[in-house]
Amino acid sequence: IVMTQSPDSLAVSLGERATITCKSSQSVLHSSNSKNHLAWYQQKSGRPPKLLIYWASTRQSGVPDRFSGSGSGTDFTLTISSLQAEDVAVYYCQQYYNSPSTFGQGTKLEIK
Amino acid sequence: QVQLEQSGAEVKKPGASVKVSCRASGNSFGIYDINWIRQGAGQGLEWMGWMNPASGHTVYAEKFQGRVTITRSPSLSTAYMELSSLRSEDTAVYYCAGSDSSSYYEPWGQGTLVTVS
Repeated sequence: IVMTQSPDSLAVSLGERATITCKSSQSVLHSSNSKNHLAWYQQKSGRPPKLLIYWASTRQSGVPDRFSGSGSGTDFTLTISSLQAEDVAVYYCQQYYNSPSTFGQGTKLEIK
Repeated sequence: QVQLEQSGAEVKKPGASVKVSCRASGNSFGIYDINWIRQGAGQGLEWMGWMNPASGHTVYAEKFQGRVTITRSPSLSTAYMELSSLRSEDTAVYYCAGSDSSSYYEPWGQGTLVTVS
């Protein structure tokens, strides 16, 4: 499954909303559990990726509630409701619907 | 909380092999399946393979079939990834990451830089 994110890079002012989209080449909604097998990660420079969202919209424990995920089937969105300076990072989506698990190419988020 | 600790950076010649280790903290080995994911400089994330620590069963990405081997030592709470016939394109940071069966990845190791030169 090919995962395509947009945009490749994004500059947003502090306190403003940031939106990243992810499109899969086929549906990642599994009929067995009615869940979208889609996760979002944040990767800061020199650090491993950090899980933000899984099952497309479930926030990982400890992740601030300004991060939210939405979408179903083939189209997904990661939204940061009010951008903070510490949110500067590269964001990746990942499908785990089938093997091999695949990632989007990443979206670089910067401060405007 | 489970933590994964990886071995240190490696520099290898083309054609050589490298073996990277990933140790799970405490008595947590076996709680998660172990995946290996790599990231070239300025590049995205690429899944290489997966192992069930309890059974030792492995699945490898087609791209790495025949070159990658994932093993484990339960007594040492450690998983290993060995990549052979190294070429310059294999220069990357290699991560181990836990997963619940075929699922999202959490936790992650700190990464191991492998340089082929």
